[in-house]
Amino acid sequence: GAVVSQHPSRVICKSGTSVKIECRSLDFQATTMFWYRQFPKKSLMLMATSNEGSKATYEQGVEKDKFLINHASLTLSTLTVTSAHPEDSSFYICSASAQGIYGYTFGSGTRLTVV
Amino acid sequence: DAKTTQPNSMESNEEEPVHLPCNHSTISGTDYIHWYRQLPSQGPEYVIHGLTSNVNNRMASLAIAEDRKSSTLILHRATLRDAAVYYCTGGGERNYGQNFVFGPGTRLSVLP
Repeated sequence: GAVVSQHPSRVICKSGTSVKIECRSLDFQATTMFWYRQFPKKSLMLMATSNEGSKATYEQGVEKDKFLINHASLTLSTLTVTSAHPEDSSFYICSASAQGIYGYTFGSGTRLTVV
Repeated sequence: DAKTTQPNSMESNEEEPVHLPCNHSTISGTDYIHWYRQLPSQGPEYVIHGLTSNVNNRMASLAIAEDRKSSTLILHRATLRDAAVYYCTGGGERNYGQNFVFGPGTRLSVLP
């Protein structure tokens, strides 16, 4: 079946630094990838949609300069949290979809803690 | 996107059946009903989907009301590993390129 690998699973960083999260589709080509953010006990909130080779589409209220998304290949999308602050601490999840593959395949998530 | 309503939480005993309801009164005629679940500290995983007829797979069964305004996810014998947040949502069958909108979901607790 379709597998999405997300790395790292857990990261702690200092305020002001940048953190990159990778999302890879292992056995299929993901033409579209989605990035979600999830606070404790809350549902997933879509941050942005990225299509391979084009700029990401950000949801309202999500700062594109703070959350940089790159989808340079059909198997890799990255989310970079720039100049991280403690309020950026959250669980970040990616998902991927592609023609011929049912629904969504989600990554296992990245827990970011900014200290 | 179809707006869904689910109970915040439910509790079940191990090895007993669980019926998780979802109201989706605004679902369009062509939207499928999808169920995902999220185990603690993991990304969501697909459970089941259907359009009009009831559906069964190795994980669960999906009973869809005749008017399609509600559905019920059935876990036939709950195990401790089924403790998770269950989300129902609506969308195209394959949702290629489309985003799912996740509501708060139902947090299922399974008691030993």
